[in-house]
Amino acid sequence: KNEVEQSPQNLTAQEGEFITINCSYSVGISALHWLQQHPGGGIVSLFMLSSGKKKHGRLIATINIQEKHSSLHITASHPRDSAVYICAVNIGNQFYFGTGTSLTVIP
Amino acid sequence: KAGVTQTPRYLIKTRGQQVTLSCSPISGHRSVSWYQQTPGQGLQFLFEYFSETQRNKGNFPGRFSGRQFSNSRSEMNVSTLELGDSALYLCASSLDWTFSYEQYFGPGTRLTVT
Repeated sequence: KNEVEQSPQNLTAQEGEFITINCSYSVGISALHWLQQHPGGGIVSLFMLSSGKKKHGRLIATINIQEKHSSLHITASHPRDSAVYICAVNIGNQFYFGTGTSLTVIP
Repeated sequence: KAGVTQTPRYLIKTRGQQVTLSCSPISGHRSVSWYQQTPGQGLQFLFEYFSETQRNKGNFPGRFSGRQFSNSRSEMNVSTLELGDSALYLCASSLDWTFSYEQYFGPGTRLTVT
């Protein structure tokens, strides 16, 4: 049983397309994180959400606590957005990660 | 401000040996968390330290341990290495309770067990 489910697993887009990555979790949480991992391993925290919506540049993250669902949107995608995107939640005192969405943006 | 640093970056060990990895957090950050990433299991939480105390622990055997020093630097130790311990080990620092604050990740230590 996976506490965190991400979809899609893989995503290929043309430059300029609008992209949505989804994350669902099984029980109530207090916060959800979206992380970006580039080839080579480095991880960057994109957003931390407990409610509503956050925007940073071309990235938008939303969370619906009642539906236990979060989305990460990328507007006007660019090849430099190619990376693995991972959502993570804390349930109790444990942290759980989604399996990641591998995004490739083609010029 | 310097970022999170991890040493060593690469390590090759033999089954049965032990290994110690080091993590230096961003200045002023008091929380350090450790994660294991493998192709099969993805990212998994190992433990979190705050003010030299382990606050939370993931579902890993007792061979995995850690500690935090008064300057917030942290080490993790894996004893009696197994082939399955080959992984990228990441640490992250944050101001306080890991999941309520933005985390800053180090570059990771890639451990290979032969």
